[in-house]
Amino acid sequence: QQQVKQSPQSLIVQKGGISIINCAYENTAFDYFPWYQQFPGKGPALLIAIRPDVSEKKEGRFTISFNKSAKQFSLHIMDSQPGDSATYFCAASHSRGSTLGRLYFGRGTQLTVWP
Amino acid sequence: DAGVTQSPTHLIKTRGQQVTLRCSPKSGHDTVSWYQQALGQGPQFIFQYYEEEERQRGNFPDRFSGHQFPNYSSELNVNALLLGDSALYLCASSLAGTGYEKLLFGSGTQLSVL
Repeated sequence: QQQVKQSPQSLIVQKGGISIINCAYENTAFDYFPWYQQFPGKGPALLIAIRPDVSEKKEGRFTISFNKSAKQFSLHIMDSQPGDSATYFCAASHSRGSTLGRLYFGRGTQLTVWP
Repeated sequence: DAGVTQSPTHLIKTRGQQVTLRCSPKSGHDTVSWYQQALGQGPQFIFQYYEEEERQRGNFPDRFSGHQFPNYSSELNVNALLLGDSALYLCASSLAGTGYEKLLFGSGTQLSVL
């Protein structure tokens, strides 16, 4: 059972546009929600993360919006650039208990930014 | 700092064989986790090692086993390989406790089972 559901599977955006990727989860015990970026031939790299006590976190062109009641969170990439073309994964984790630190990943979104 | 180092980068095996993948964590990290990433999918947690013991295990059969050495490096062993074991195997290191917030992945070992 996929604990974190991600959409869309692929996304094509014009340079300068906004890229939006959405994720949903069921387990309300999750309390840490990171986004990872992966380039071909590389491992995932942490991009930005949020905890459910805030509704939004911004780092440069990247923003996470978090809706605790809807159990949804999304990644917004402002002013998208060709260098942002990569696969993006949302994930969720527990900060306590027997599964501390284990990441549950979504299936990924292949982002292509056209120049 | 070399970060997380995995070897080999690519590996080709045949069904029924056994394989060993290796991982050296980032300097200062003491916890190693292994993930399997099938083509077009997100990484799936296999297991986590800390203090040379398996602390957590995901939904993988006993054919998957691991080890952590005193220097924190780790190995992933897969026995009786199946075609479905073909995937990118990722090692990630962190510090115990809240270190998972700084989880660092290696570039992975691409395993092909023929």
